[in-house]
Amino acid sequence: QSALTQPASVSGSPGQSITISCTGTSSDVGGYNYVSWYQQHPGKAPKLMIYDVSNRPSGVSNRFSGSKSGNTASLTISGLQAEDEADYYCSSYTSSSTHWVFGGGTKLTVL
Amino acid sequence: QVQLQESGPGLVKPSQTLSLTCTVSGGSISSGGYYWSWIRQHPGKGLEWIGYIYYSGSTYYNPSLKSRVTISVDTSKNQFSLKLSSVTAADTAVYYCARGPLGDYYFDYWGQGTLVTVSS
Repeated sequence: QSALTQPASVSGSPGQSITISCTGTSSDVGGYNYVSWYQQHPGKAPKLMIYDVSNRPSGVSNRFSGSKSGNTASLTISGLQAEDEADYYCSSYTSSSTHWVFGGGTKLTVL
Repeated sequence: QVQLQESGPGLVKPSQTLSLTCTVSGGSISSGGYYWSWIRQHPGKGLEWIGYIYYSGSTYYNPSLKSRVTISVDTSKNQFSLKLSSVTAADTAVYYCARGPLGDYYFDYWGQGTLVTVSS
């Protein structure tokens, strides 16, 4: 069982917006602004999409945005495109000795 | 552009030691400013952080694996390595090496990953 809780799957049609949630505790998501999001296509390495809750690395589309409220972080993808279909993982620093925790992943299907 | 590449045996026997190396190009491990991590992904599952090393050799391991993990660095070769002892089938996974900025908690560059199967 993953430390951070994500929905197993979400779906949306091209052009729509979707949001993926990532729920933790005050020891991780809620306590620090160190939430990151990764996109993983089948057979590929994860790719950093958002860091420090809401920052986008250079080269990542501005259709991807991140936010946080309390113990829940969110990744929003606007203007859905077929290429966005992938698995998405959240991660957070944790004050526990584990240092990092990941979510179980969310499969995004573009209908 | 920083690139990371894992290498090592794809098949390890139970009770033996898994050994992987990550070669870094496009940037120097010894320049500092980054920690170098190993992360694994069990088949069809989520991600699990294994541990990291700094260029100075200081390490930090996931407590759940700490008794079996050793991460080392060879700055002359711009490589860092993972050793996981006493492996079982539960250690079968895709192993990734990744880089993260010191003082922050994310991974900005990843290797392509290598599948290690534990089987006799």
